[in-house]
Amino acid sequence: GAGVSQTPSNKVTEKGKYVELRCDPISGHTALYWYRQSLGQGPEFLIYFQGTGAADDSGLPNDRFFAVRPEGSVSTLKIQRTERGDSAVYLCASSSGGGTTEAFFGQGTRLTVV
Amino acid sequence: GENVEQHPSTLSVQEGDSAVIKCTYSDSASNYFPWYKQELGKRPQLIIDIRSNVGEKKDQRIAVTLNKTAKHFSLHITETQPEDSAVYFCAASRGGADGLTFGKGTHLIIQP
Repeated sequence: GAGVSQTPSNKVTEKGKYVELRCDPISGHTALYWYRQSLGQGPEFLIYFQGTGAADDSGLPNDRFFAVRPEGSVSTLKIQRTERGDSAVYLCASSSGGGTTEAFFGQGTRLTVV
Repeated sequence: GENVEQHPSTLSVQEGDSAVIKCTYSDSASNYFPWYKQELGKRPQLIIDIRSNVGEKKDQRIAVTLNKTAKHFSLHITETQPEDSAVYFCAASRGGADGLTFGKGTHLIIQP
């Protein structure tokens, strides 16, 4: 596709449920990032993939959060036992290289935990 | 880890005037400093970036300056227009496996 695509655009879930958020990066981009953006804040780094492997997952807040990128393209962010504090916009970005090349962002998934 | 501070949180300027947004960073190993513009409900989009081997970069009405010694960088927008109204984020990265560390954003309001 022409840009980074994220699905769903909106997700409402009940506290305690499991959710999966999907990211389709720009074709050929080897680097993929997940960020979380709360209202009135800048994006907060969660995890970085280079190819299939998680090069840096230091931003994941706790072990309820997990992300995969099995074939080096599409990535899924998984959140177990969701809590109200997980409510935010989850942004995915991809780039052709590492941390000093332009990152292109998707539209984000707005997650609301009720 | 890296910490990026951004000021001001809100900036209101008259159309046609200049706007300046300032950021400081803590990690001297950071070497990449992009600026993103985010309109309400939309994705962040890169407007300009600078690497640590240069002190200034300009693209039409937008310029960024970097002072590595003081660990601060600034965004300058001249001849502001209504379409410049948005939230602007600065960010810093050490490159390699590092993601971007963002500031908290500046809400720029262009008054007609």
